[in-house]
Parts: sequence; structure tokens; C-alpha cells
Amino acid sequence: AQSVTQLDSQVPVFEEAPVELRCNYSSSVSVYLFWYVQYPNQGLQLLLKYLSGSTLVKGINGFEAEFNKSQTSFHLRKPSVHISDTAEYFCAVSGDAGNMLTFGGGTRLMVKP
Amino acid sequence: EAQVTQNPRYLITVTGKKLTVTCSQNMNHEYMSWYRQDPGLGLRQIYYSMNVEVTDKGDVPEGYKVSRKEKRNFPLILESPSPNQTSLYFCASRRQGVNTEAFFGQGTRLTVV
Repeated sequence: AQSVTQLDSQVPVFEEAPVELRCNYSSSVSVYLFWYVQYPNQGLQLLLKYLSGSTLVKGINGFEAEFNKSQTSFHLRKPSVHISDTAEYFCAVSGDAGNMLTFGGGTRLMVKP
Repeated sequence: EAQVTQNPRYLITVTGKKLTVTCSQNMNHEYMSWYRQDPGLGLRQIYYSMNVEVTDKGDVPEGYKVSRKEKRNFPLILESPSPNQTSLYFCASRRQGVNTEAFFGQGTRLTVV
């Protein structure tokens, strides 16, 4: 069975500082990995995805993530965050259970001025 | 505009009073699913549907029902709501395939008193 662990439930950071949100997964087959963002009082929207090919994936709003198969990780990074990046971020995996998307517990990013 | 529409956005009800949360998508997606979001637990899948008249249980199906009579609609039914079903609910749709992006509705915040 596939699963996702997001190691940090909350990450406080100052504006313009770099940030990394950690995600580890487990799966017995090839995986497809996703990061979604949820702004306050909104649904989830796709930030970026890894399907195959280059292990460094670029997404919207300056975010990027690196797929590391040996460490079964898919960490999300941004070199300089803005107040508007304050949101909850979810890592998700697909591939081991039909069409099912399995989500991690979420990481709340809090950007302070 | 491609979208998933849920109604209502907010609902307060009493224990035992049947309710239905509607979900509709305009992207002709085969796959639809319902999630509940609870603090620290991320999104957990309640039910999913691979296509019309094909539904199956997710990770937390107890106390819920669904139906898929038309491709675009996937209502969530709580026959006898209880306070432990107080949560934020999301409907999502995807094209068939393990590497496809999920599109989410805006969410329904349900309170059962």
C-alpha cells in the first residue's frame, strides 16, 4: 500500500527566507508525486507534479521539488517566500492503488513579515 | 471554465437528519472522489467512482453513501449524520489514469450538532 509522510505539521519562516517542506513516501510500484496548495477557505490546487524524466520539477509561484528515489522523498523548496505563500501544502502519491491519490497530513507554511 | 462545483459551502445540521452534498464537474472526467479533511490527518478518501454506476469504498466510508448516475455528478449522502462527521469535505475529479491531476471543489464545511 502507498503512504505519504509530511514530517513537519507547521513551518514558520520570515519573508524572503528560503523554505523546504519535507515529504517522504512509500510505494511498491512506480510512483507519481504531486504537491498541492490550499489557500485559506479554498480548495486544493496543483503546485507541481513528478511523472517521469528530470528529477527536478518546477511548478507555479516559484516552487520546485526534487524527486529522490533512493531516499523516497519529494521535498518542496522555494528560495525566497512571500507573505502570499502562507497556506497549507499537501504532498500526494499515486500509482500503487489504481487511481487513488493518497495524501500526507499537510504542512502549514506561515510566512511572517 | 473547468471546475468542480460543490454545494453547499457551509452546512450546520442536527444529529440524524439526512443530508446530501452535491458535486458536479464539467470536464468529462471519468474518476470522481470524496475526501474529508481533518486537522493533522490530511485528506482521507471516503468513496470514489471510476465511471457511471461504478463506485467503491475509500479509506473511511462508514456513515456515508454515494451514487454516480451521471458522469458529471457525484453526490455524497449522510443518511444519519453524527457529530464525528463534522469536517471539511472536498469533491475531486480526474481523467482516468494514475498520473493525472486531480481538480478539487471549494469544499463543504459540515457541522453536526
